[in-house]
Amino acid sequence: KAGVTQTPRYLIKTRGQQVTLSCSPISGHRSVSWYQQTPGQGLQFLFEYFSETQRNKGNFPGRFSGRQFSNSRSEMNVSTLELGDSALYLCASSFGGVDEQYFGPGTRLTVT
Amino acid sequence: QQPVQSPQAVILREGEDAVINCSSSKALYSVHWYRQKHGEAPVFLMILLKGGEQKGHEKISASFNEKKQQSSLYLTASQLSYSGTYFCGTDNSGAGSYQLTFGKGTKLSVIP
Repeated sequence: KAGVTQTPRYLIKTRGQQVTLSCSPISGHRSVSWYQQTPGQGLQFLFEYFSETQRNKGNFPGRFSGRQFSNSRSEMNVSTLELGDSALYLCASSFGGVDEQYFGPGTRLTVT
Repeated sequence: QQPVQSPQAVILREGEDAVINCSSSKALYSVHWYRQKHGEAPVFLMILLKGGEQKGHEKISASFNEKKQQSSLYLTASQLSYSGTYFCGTDNSGAGSYQLTFGKGTKLSVIP
């Protein structure tokens, strides 16, 4: 079966701009989680969506937001980009309980 | 609060064994282990649940000490393919949904 896909794979933005990243989960998976990965902080949880509802949220400012559509595809948006937002953004999908997550290849965001 | 992983890095020769530890300051409901190779997405290895249930790959073994709030991953007869960074993710909420806090990772290098 097809894996988790993320678009775009690479992105360069300027401070102050906003960005939208997309994630298509594995067919049948209803949970999508987003993570930010940086060399200094490692993997940090952003939020999780299940059946179009945000179930969990990590400790990130309100500039980070997301949504999930009825087909389980998810988007995350970062407004007013800062240099510190440069990172690899990973999404992961699962059936929705405490089970294994399948990660996508990530979107590498560079903010200049 | 991030779980603490130890060691931070380890170098093994093929065939040697290793143990990676994950320790939390909060009560643990489940511990999730992932491996990430350079430039790739994290890949699921194992979930250990409070009460003793485990889900994961047969060739990987791990332990979960609820009282000590610790988990250990055991890698035996290491192969070159075991190289990568190992992350433990902890669920401290017990809500039955995803909100994992990941440690900073243990970099494992297996050499011939």
